[in-house]
Amino acid sequence: DAKTTQPPSMDCAEGRAANLPCNHSTISGNEYVYWYRQIHSQGPQYIIHGLKNNETNEMASLIITEDRKSSTLILPHATLRDTAVYYCIVRVEDSNYQLIWGAGTKLIIKP
Amino acid sequence: KAGVTQTPRYLIKTRGQQVTLSCSPISGHRSVSWYQQTPGQGLQFLFEYFSETQRNKGNFPGRFSGRQFSNSRSEMNVSTLELGDSALYLCASSLVGEPYNEQFFGPGTRLTVL
Repeated sequence: DAKTTQPPSMDCAEGRAANLPCNHSTISGNEYVYWYRQIHSQGPQYIIHGLKNNETNEMASLIITEDRKSSTLILPHATLRDTAVYYCIVRVEDSNYQLIWGAGTKLIIKP
Repeated sequence: KAGVTQTPRYLIKTRGQQVTLSCSPISGHRSVSWYQQTPGQGLQFLFEYFSETQRNKGNFPGRFSGRQFSNSRSEMNVSTLELGDSALYLCASSLVGEPYNEQFFGPGTRLTVL
């Protein structure tokens, strides 16, 4: 079973920041948090990952709480092309290289 | 640099048949993972190959198998197809297969079992 909990859907206005929450209260100390997204009819696309510190790249920012039990993915200026299902994933410690995917959040960017 | 390619993109089979799907990773990537995606179960991990060896396997029956060739290309095979095998099969490659490495996904093969 997935170790993360995400809202099933969210809306965001175009040009505004989209903040996608993720709960991972059972995360272990050495488990990374990953974010991927899947645009309709395409394969998933990597966005960002982190362990303890906040991370930023050209696509998004990842804010991880100090207790590591939750995180937020921030798309700073959402566009219509950001409409997708966003997956927050925690690697299960004993699963070697396996990522356990949950149901994700369907993010709809509205004009 | 070319992305991950999967062939065929669409496939229709009947129950009881077998099917082979192909995945060509990004040049230089040695790890290939396979996933099954269905509306009801979401993305589920099938197996991962690195340097022609299966390193990890998900909870799928033995009808699902795979292999990797010396050029890192990978194939997966499903024998005795069932209606429930209808799904999008995704292949992903990564540079060395470490868990914190980015996985690059192909467009998938849409398999329909009638």
